[in-house]
Amino acid sequence: DGGITQSPKYLFRKEGQNVTLSCEQNLNHDAMYWYRQDPGQGLRLIYYSQIVNDFQKGDIAEGYSVSREKKESFPLTVTSAQKNPTAFYLCASSSPSGGVTLAQHFGDGTRLSIL
Amino acid sequence: GESVGLHLPTLSVQEGDNSIINCAYSNSASDYFIWYKQESGKGPQFIIDIRSNMDKRQGQRVTVLLNKTVKHLSLQIAATQPGDSAVYFCANSGYSTLTFGKGTMLLVSP
Repeated sequence: DGGITQSPKYLFRKEGQNVTLSCEQNLNHDAMYWYRQDPGQGLRLIYYSQIVNDFQKGDIAEGYSVSREKKESFPLTVTSAQKNPTAFYLCASSSPSGGVTLAQHFGDGTRLSIL
Repeated sequence: GESVGLHLPTLSVQEGDNSIINCAYSNSASDYFIWYKQESGKGPQFIIDIRSNMDKRQGQRVTVLLNKTVKHLSLQIAATQPGDSAVYFCANSGYSTLTFGKGTMLLVSP
């Protein structure tokens, strides 16, 4: 089945540690996105990529980094500079049409907590 | 696990009732709108979408209404079932991204 796979489902980070969240899609979508979700809040955009080897900062990029070396993969690294990393992280993909973002398809998320 | 629904507006209905969930947006240039359903511990699932050249679109048991004059979007769910209990988000398009609302929790009692 086509879809988006995020791993791991749960992740724990120690002080000063960088951790990487995986996101893989087999939908042949050009664009991929990372969001952060905190309780009682909407999704906030961290980074997005519309094409391989290119990505842009979203609204809350500080303390995060990404890469897009393959169309299928868009890993997110939460660095030690992110002082409040505890959240639910969601990856999504879409195929923009004529420059307009259409519906995004989501993975089932990674829940990151601090040890 | 931690709920994504903490402190969200909540709509409580009885099984079989019709539910209406509302959403306001601010970007008057948006031309595409989506409703998502999110169950606890899962990612949002696409429900229905609508383009700005329409004011109503129907799916299976769901209807989306768009009022561009007041920048308001609503989701109507007919004959609500316990399985419809979830957080519902609206989203509207920008050039490269979507902007998401904070969500409404729908609780359906048997």
